Amino acid sequence: DADVTQTPRNRITKTGKRIMLECSQTKGHDRMYWYRQDPGLGLRLIYYSFDVKDINKGEISDGYSVSRQAQAKFSLSLESAIPNQTALYFCASQAGVLETQYFGPGTRLLVL
Amino acid sequence: EDQVTQSPEALRLQEGESSSLNCSYTVSGLRGLFWYRQDPGKGPEFLFTLYSAGEEKEKERLKATLTKKESFLHITAPKPEDSATYLCAVQAGNAGNMLTFGGGTRLMVKP
Repeated sequence: DADVTQTPRNRITKTGKRIMLECSQTKGHDRMYWYRQDPGLGLRLIYYSFDVKDINKGEISDGYSVSRQAQAKFSLSLESAIPNQTALYFCASQAGVLETQYFGPGTRLLVL
Repeated sequence: EDQVTQSPEALRLQEGESSSLNCSYTVSGLRGLFWYRQDPGKGPEFLFTLYSAGEEKEKERLKATLTKKESFLHITAPKPEDSATYLCAVQAGNAGNMLTFGGGTRLMVKP
């Protein structure tokens, strides 16, 4: 079974809709991250959390919000989706500051 | 601002034709350099971490090396199953220890 899971795997939505992407990890890691990937731009950090009570903005947080419901769960919300949020979204978890980040399988989001 | 540049953007090789992928970086206070492999429709899969100049790591046909300005991922006698996008990321103390990713190199190995 995968250590980091994401739901849904694919999502099509319309401009202005609110949507939530969910991430769960079974690795017991405290640190969790949300990234988006666009062709040729690599992965860019949206939000990160070092524990349940710690939430931090990343490089491109505008238009997004997050919730850390438990150590194992970290959700990303698009409050009012817009077409330029069409991208691949990845969640990752990490045990400690210099440890490896382990990624989920991704969510492909299309905003019409 | 930390910058990570990968080259080439795409590389086509014949099976058995060895080559290298480059990751050049500009950061202050490098803590680690990570290589990941990403297959289409999947998340990045961890390959190596390098922490200091001169360090080398190997795994099967892959060998990663690190200098003070760049890292190379050498692929020896590649096979079609090595086809993937290879991502490089740096972790620097001045960026709050966050990862900064390069744009990736898409490798295609033809039989």
